[in-house]
Amino acid sequence: AQSVTQLDSHVSVSEGTPVLLRCNYSSSYSPSLFWYVQHPNKGLQLLLKYTSAATLVKGINGFEAEFKKSETSFHLTKPSAHMSDAAEYFCVVSDGGRGSYIPTFGRGTSLIVHP
Amino acid sequence: EPEVTQTPSHQVTQMGQEVILRCVPISNHLYFYWYRQILGQKVEFLVSFYNNEISEKSEIFDDQFSVERPDGSNFTLKIRSTKLEDSAMYFCASSWGAGLQETQYFGPGTRLLVL
Repeated sequence: AQSVTQLDSHVSVSEGTPVLLRCNYSSSYSPSLFWYVQHPNKGLQLLLKYTSAATLVKGINGFEAEFKKSETSFHLTKPSAHMSDAAEYFCVVSDGGRGSYIPTFGRGTSLIVHP
Repeated sequence: EPEVTQTPSHQVTQMGQEVILRCVPISNHLYFYWYRQILGQKVEFLVSFYNNEISEKSEIFDDQFSVERPDGSNFTLKIRSTKLEDSAMYFCASSWGAGLQETQYFGPGTRLLVL
């Protein structure tokens, strides 16, 4: 069965400093991995996805993530945080096991950006 | 940019009452989904719908739940007799296809409170 663990429930950074949101996954197959962001009162928006192509994936708003199979990780990074990055971030895995594409969500990480 | 919309944004109901949550998926998408997120918990898959029938459903999606695409644009989730534990944020999503490569686009959610 697939699973995903977001290691931090809250991450607090200062504007202009790097962002690291951690995600580890478990899967018996070759998974696809996604990061979604949710701003208050908005829907979940896709930031980036890994689907077995390049392991370093670039997304919107300067975010990127690296798929590391040996570490079963898919951490989200951004070199310099902006105030508008404050939101809830979800790591999601879907591995197509037994023909099912149902995704599994992490619990979410709340990113707080201080001026 | 096309987006998924959901109505109402908030719904308060009495235990035992029926509620219908409405969604308008992106117009050329073929697959439709409902998820829920109980406060403080993970986003959980409920059901997927394709070609006017349920393609997958989770254990949560029991007989009190039903989905329908009553016309060419709306996709609804009905809860027949609400329970206190149905209080959650309900997200609708849609995608063009169902494979691992496909991105699901989410609506802003309906917050349901059962009293």
